Amino acid sequence: QKEVEQDPGPLSVPEGAIVSLNCTYSNSAFQYFMWYRQYSRKGPELLMYTYSSGNKEDGRFTAQVDKSSKYISLFIRDSQPSDSATYLCAMSARGSNYKLTFGKGTLLTVNP
Amino acid sequence: EAQVTQNPRYLITVTGKKLTVTCSQNMNHEYMSWYRQDPGLGLRQIYYSMNVEVTDKGDVPEGYKVSRKEKRNFPLILESPSPNQTSLYFCASSFIGGRQETQYFGPGTRLLVL
Repeated sequence: QKEVEQDPGPLSVPEGAIVSLNCTYSNSAFQYFMWYRQYSRKGPELLMYTYSSGNKEDGRFTAQVDKSSKYISLFIRDSQPSDSATYLCAMSARGSNYKLTFGKGTLLTVNP
Repeated sequence: EAQVTQNPRYLITVTGKKLTVTCSQNMNHEYMSWYRQDPGLGLRQIYYSMNVEVTDKGDVPEGYKVSRKEKRNFPLILESPSPNQTSLYFCASSFIGGRQETQYFGPGTRLLVL
């Protein structure tokens, strides 16, 4: 079983839709959870950061972590064409020398 | 402007010809790291450095070398590149302490080894 599983998509939605992106993981030591957004031909940029379980909201974006289920989610409300990108989940464990373990990424297209 | 820069952005080379990809950050970050990104495999860590003169292997270090002589620079060296090192490479950096897992990524270097 891979440490981090993420459905690669592609996912295509109409503008204004609610988007749900998910990752599952197997390493119970993961405590830090991140979502990165990567536009074509660009480096990943941090979108959301969550420590341990719970929800975090930032504008149209909400990140959820359920450690009991080893499941994390990113919700995008009122999706815009500018949200079209690859979304990468990443996670890290305390004492892991800041090593990030990434999902493979989900390609999202928001159609006008 | 706070940023991580990489050079070159695109590189085509031939098997066995030594090359260096430079990485520089202007945020005074202690931690720097190299990743490669391949279709179907995602981002995988090659090497990382916790500070000057402190480097260690990541998940896929074979065929690569790094050095950290200055805090701001972390070059990636391919002494004898092979076609299986054709990939998209990213350098990243972060502070140690605080939100240390939030790494800032460079724009990427696309390498083709013929």
